[in-house]
Parts: sequence; C-alpha cells; structure tokens
Amino acid sequence: NAGVMQNPRHLVRRRGQEARLRCSPMKGHSHVYWYRQLPEEGLKFMVYLQKENIIDESGMPKERFSAEFPKEGPSILRIQQVVRGDSAAYFCASSEQGLKTQYFGPGTRLLVL
Amino acid sequence: AQSVTQLDSHVSVSEGTPVLLRCNYSSSYSPSLFWYVQHPNKGLQLLLKYTSAATLVKGINGFEAEFKKSETSFHLTKPSAHMSDAAEYFCVVSAESGTDKLIFGTGTRLQVFP
Repeated sequence: NAGVMQNPRHLVRRRGQEARLRCSPMKGHSHVYWYRQLPEEGLKFMVYLQKENIIDESGMPKERFSAEFPKEGPSILRIQQVVRGDSAAYFCASSEQGLKTQYFGPGTRLLVL
Repeated sequence: AQSVTQLDSHVSVSEGTPVLLRCNYSSSYSPSLFWYVQHPNKGLQLLLKYTSAATLVKGINGFEAEFKKSETSFHLTKPSAHMSDAAEYFCVVSAESGTDKLIFGTGTRLQVFP
C-alpha cells in the first residue's frame, strides 16, 4: 500500500507565476489535509477536504490560495501570483475518515525567486 | 485554545544514552496527542499517539511517551539513543474535540553524537 504521494517534490517559481501542488492520498483514504511549514517552524494547518468538499479552510490565506479534492484524481493546492513569502514546504496528509490518524506525504518544497 | 509547547529547540545526546524531549500542552478538553518525527528533507512519520487509553504510550523505534494530566505534559523518551534517531521531533495536539485540525509545536532538533 503506497503512502501519501506528493508531486512535484521540488518546485521553483518566479514571482507572479502560479504554483500547483498535487497530493494523492493513501489508498482507501478520502480525507486530505494541507499544512505549510515555513523555515525553522512547525507545520501550520491550512485546509481540510473530503471528496468534492472543503470541510475546514480556516488556515488558508484569504487571497491567492485555493484547494480542491475532486471526485477523481489528486487533491490540488493552487497558489496564484506567488510571492517570496510563499517559499515553504507544503505537506499533505490523509486519513481514512474523520478523527483518524493522519499520514503525511514527503512534502513539496516551493522556492519562489 | 489548544496549544503545545516544546521546551527545547535543540537536544544533544551521546549514542547509547537516554533521550528526553519535553512537551507541554494546553487544552480545554481531553486531547489527542501525537509525536511525529521528520528526517532531513523527508515527510513526517508518526511515532506514537495518545487518545485517552493507557497513559503510557509505546511507539515505533523504541520511543514512548507518558501522558500526565496533572502536569499537562507528554514527554517523549527513549532509553538508548541511536545515530539514526537524529531528526526533528514535533509534539502535536488535536485542535478541538471533534475536529481533525492538528496543532504542531515548534519542534525539537535531536542531535546524536558517537
């Protein structure tokens, strides 16, 4: 059973470009969570999704950030018009249902030049 | 609001000596508590979790943690450190009862010297 998969593992963007981060949950998991880790800090919750639904987006910045988890395919975290402050590691986690253990992917390290 | 405080940003031990990584939590309800480990440039791996069953929780790789409600602590221990234990360790609490949001501590970087 493959773990949580994220791609790309590393992403370089110039200011103003768009970044798309993908997350495929573990097999059988229908709940996805996105976290951001700024340098030298712990992870901060961004958003929690189930298939086709956003359950909790209280940690998402109000502008430029969006997330989706379609019926088919991976979950996508999209950052429009990236700025240098968006440089961070973005981790995805999945669980088989709510209030169950979250398993983390290897992360996508975004660098904005 | 729930929170976790990791009391040490860095801990250094010699191989073969005990490890103690300290964590205190604040919660208005009976929390779920976790320890995750992050090796350099890798994802997070769950070491162990406490969910109101036994207060002494055994995890992988010889780690264990004890939930002490009176001290609001959930310290992580290991009797004998191994070089491969060198990593960043995060103490984590569930944000609220009935939600999936996790709150992470700022991390403790463990160094193991030969």
